Amino acid sequence: GAVVSQHPSWVICKSGTSVKIECRSLDFQATTMFWYRQFPKQSLMLMATSNEGSKATYEQGVEKDKFLINHASLTLSTLTVTSAHPEDSSFYICSAARQGFGTDTQYFGPGTRLTVL
Amino acid sequence: ELKVEQNPLFLSMQEGKNYTIYCNYSTTSDRLYWYRQDPGKSLESLFVLLSNGAVKQEGRLMASLDTKARLSTLHITAAVHDLSATYFCAVDGFEVQGAQKLVFGQGTRLTINP
Repeated sequence: GAVVSQHPSWVICKSGTSVKIECRSLDFQATTMFWYRQFPKQSLMLMATSNEGSKATYEQGVEKDKFLINHASLTLSTLTVTSAHPEDSSFYICSAARQGFGTDTQYFGPGTRLTVL
Repeated sequence: ELKVEQNPLFLSMQEGKNYTIYCNYSTTSDRLYWYRQDPGKSLESLFVLLSNGAVKQEGRLMASLDTKARLSTLHITAAVHDLSATYFCAVDGFEVQGAQKLVFGQGTRLTINP
């Protein structure tokens, strides 16, 4: 159990376009989902935290108008990179905190590799 | 601000040898996590350490936690090539929207040579 999926697993887009990444918890409900980005050979950087039905909380330095997060249901959160540019190319990983599980363990998705040309 | 530091950041070792990766964190935290990441992949959960003195073992990996020293170790015994990966530790940071943020260390890139 506790499987988190992401779609797409990789995407290549032209500069200026928008890209939507989906994060789904497949077999549990997740009140909270997290979005991370990871540059090559670096650690994970938390971008934002989202709760179902409320606005996301963004980390300092993350542009909320550029990285739009929608947590539509207890099993789905989406990250939209608007007007993407080459510097947005990165590995984006989501995680989901399992509702009702006292330890609030985060389960990580497989990641989405974004390349902006 | 909670900081998590790992050392070494890079480790190249021979098969069959033992080694330890260290993870220090700057403020009190309830839980410490160890993850493995293979190239191009996401994180795989290895261990969750919940209390002072906790020790967990899985195969050739053993993790321990000393909350007083704010230190966790990941010990590798008789390393094999399949253990080559990047290892991250993380601790629970501040609560946000009802869940704990994770603060990650920089990662330790482990290469095991035949």
